[in-house]
Amino acid sequence: DVQLTQSPSSLSASVGDTVTISCRASQGIDKSLGWYQHKPGKAPKSLIYLASLLQNGVPSKFSGSGSGTDFTLTISNLQPEDFATYYCQQYYSYPFTFGPGTRLEIE
Amino acid sequence: EVQLVESGGGLVQPGGSLRLSCAASGFTFSTIPMTWVRQAPGKGLEWVACISRDGSERHYLDSVKGRFAISRDNAKSSLFLEMNSLRAEDTGRYYCARSGGAPNYWGQGVLVTVSS
Repeated sequence: DVQLTQSPSSLSASVGDTVTISCRASQGIDKSLGWYQHKPGKAPKSLIYLASLLQNGVPSKFSGSGSGTDFTLTISNLQPEDFATYYCQQYYSYPFTFGPGTRLEIE
Repeated sequence: EVQLVESGGGLVQPGGSLRLSCAASGFTFSTIPMTWVRQAPGKGLEWVACISRDGSERHYLDSVKGRFAISRDNAKSSLFLEMNSLRAEDTGRYYCARSGGAPNYWGQGVLVTVSS
């Protein structure tokens, strides 16, 4: 199975900051990676697919990059509504797996 | 507007069974693969199963193989998850999601509690 690790596991930042979250796969997954935002009590929200493509309606403050084993999610100009947990997910091979999540908190 | 509404959750004893349903609307259901994802209390997201557009291809998380069965009824725009031999570690919120790869729409989820 493909294992995903995320770093950092938690992150404190301020409104207006830019942050980067990393996701590393245990084997090459081409660009078959998505990013998701999840807030307590809410449905997850899909942000990015194929490593760098924005889902419909997602603002350009979110950006993704990478291929193979190393991927990043960058969020610019942080706003209060951006503080949440972020997950990466690979869909290169079954079983599809999620990373353990990165909790983004207000500093 | 895409909508996914899950139902069928509840409290069940270890070894028991539940059938989750997901009613889809706002898109042509029969043309899109579908997925179930869960989240145990205090834990992260976990992919559970997915099914192809016509139901001919199904894939499962190893820990649910042989116990869970994903299915769909394209005529009724509905997705199902039959869960048998439930264990305490199956407790969590189960989400229905559109697409078999990178889900792009999610339901609000339904709570499954396995406890005696």
